[in-house]
Amino acid sequence: QVQLQESGPGLVKPSGTLSLTCTVSGDSISSNNWWSWVRQPPGKGLEWIGEIYHSGSSNYNPSLKSRVTISVDKSKNHFSLKLSSVTAADTAIYYCGRKRNSGSNSGAFDIWGQGTMVTVSS
Amino acid sequence: DIQMTQSPSSLSASVGDRVTIICRASQSISSSLNWYQQKPGKAPKLLIYAASSLQSGVPSRFSGSGSGTDFTLTVSSLQPEDSATYYCQQSYSTPGFGGGTKVEIK
Repeated sequence: QVQLQESGPGLVKPSGTLSLTCTVSGDSISSNNWWSWVRQPPGKGLEWIGEIYHSGSSNYNPSLKSRVTISVDKSKNHFSLKLSSVTAADTAIYYCGRKRNSGSNSGAFDIWGQGTMVTVSS
Repeated sequence: DIQMTQSPSSLSASVGDRVTIICRASQSISSSLNWYQQKPGKAPKLLIYAASSLQSGVPSRFSGSGSGTDFTLTVSSLQPEDSATYYCQQSYSTPGFGGGTKVEIK
């Protein structure tokens, strides 16, 4: 079955860059899906960060766009998130997810990683 | 930007109760609305897509309806394992989530 697994540092210093990778198994990153990042601050709701297609086309949340870069590595079947100039407000659980791009469930996030907690602190 | 508003923010109901959660979009999103269930310490799980289609493996007591700007998620007979937070998400434009509804069992 399709599985996504986030990896990366759990602690990032203020003003630094948060870097996470999502490894995809059971599906090709070149399949007809968007590969996404969603975050959830402690005790709060879900916030979409951005997404990438295997072609390299990407979309970002306007509120984060100036600080976010999402990239894809087809050879490793994974995609990555970089968030720069982080502050305590970026402390959250970061999830990667598969968003369907065709069919009746187009636009829905049908597969999620387990999530990884990232804390911004000195 | 399309804003998604859920109500109520929390509710408490008894086992066997019918529960309804409302999600409103700030503009028409046709039927581009999905519902998720999130339990503590877990990732969200897709329940309903395209407003009313049940995701494979999801119990039939869950149902969705609506189109345009107003949508509902209904649990026909609440079970103990349904204690969770529920989120709506619009897929009409760049994704956006509602604020969530926490469902507790009395």
